[in-house]
Amino acid sequence: QKEVEQNSGPLSVPEGAIASLNCTYSDRGSQSFFWYRQYSGKSPELIMFIYSNGDKEDGRFTAQLNKASQYVSLLIRDSQPSDSATYLCAVEGGSQGNLIFGKGTKLSVKP
Amino acid sequence: EAGVTQSPTHLIKTRGQQATLRCSPISGHTSVYWYQQALGLGLQFLLWYDEGEERNRGNFPPRFSGRQFPNYSSELNVNALELEDSALYLCASSWGTGSNQPQHFGDGTRLSIL
Repeated sequence: QKEVEQNSGPLSVPEGAIASLNCTYSDRGSQSFFWYRQYSGKSPELIMFIYSNGDKEDGRFTAQLNKASQYVSLLIRDSQPSDSATYLCAVEGGSQGNLIFGKGTKLSVKP
Repeated sequence: EAGVTQSPTHLIKTRGQQATLRCSPISGHTSVYWYQQALGLGLQFLLWYDEGEERNRGNFPPRFSGRQFPNYSSELNVNALELEDSALYLCASSWGTGSNQPQHFGDGTRLSIL
């Protein structure tokens, strides 16, 4: 059974720092990886997706993928209190169609 | 562009009743996915519909069912409600098939079973 693991946190960083969120996955054949942000009581919001090894940058966010190590991470530069949320890592489920989600890492950015 | 819309926002039922949740995908998206997010648990996959057909279902009992209409909207039906069905039910849509397509979520329906 495919699994996605994340440190549940909470991860606390000061405002302006870099927040680093990590995720490992069990299926070596996985090809597509997604990061969602979920504020308390709200639905998940897609913030990044990555398909190739290496880094992908979008504004303050950088996704990093290392398929050999089965590891994907999300870096948030210049963290803001508004970034405080739970970050969900998701991996494609192949022909099954669905995404397989980790349980999320709760990030707290302190002013 | 309108996002994924779900209704109702909240739904309160009692044990044994039936619930119907509705979802309209982003315009142009043909695939609809349903997930359950119970308190303290991660998102659990329920159902995937594409082009009117059920393509896959997660590890849930048959009392969880649904359908997709010709306009790609979808409904989720839960029969014989149990207390453990209390959760946030999320609908997502994507362009085309294949789980390499990003899925975009609606605001969810919070189902409470009394």
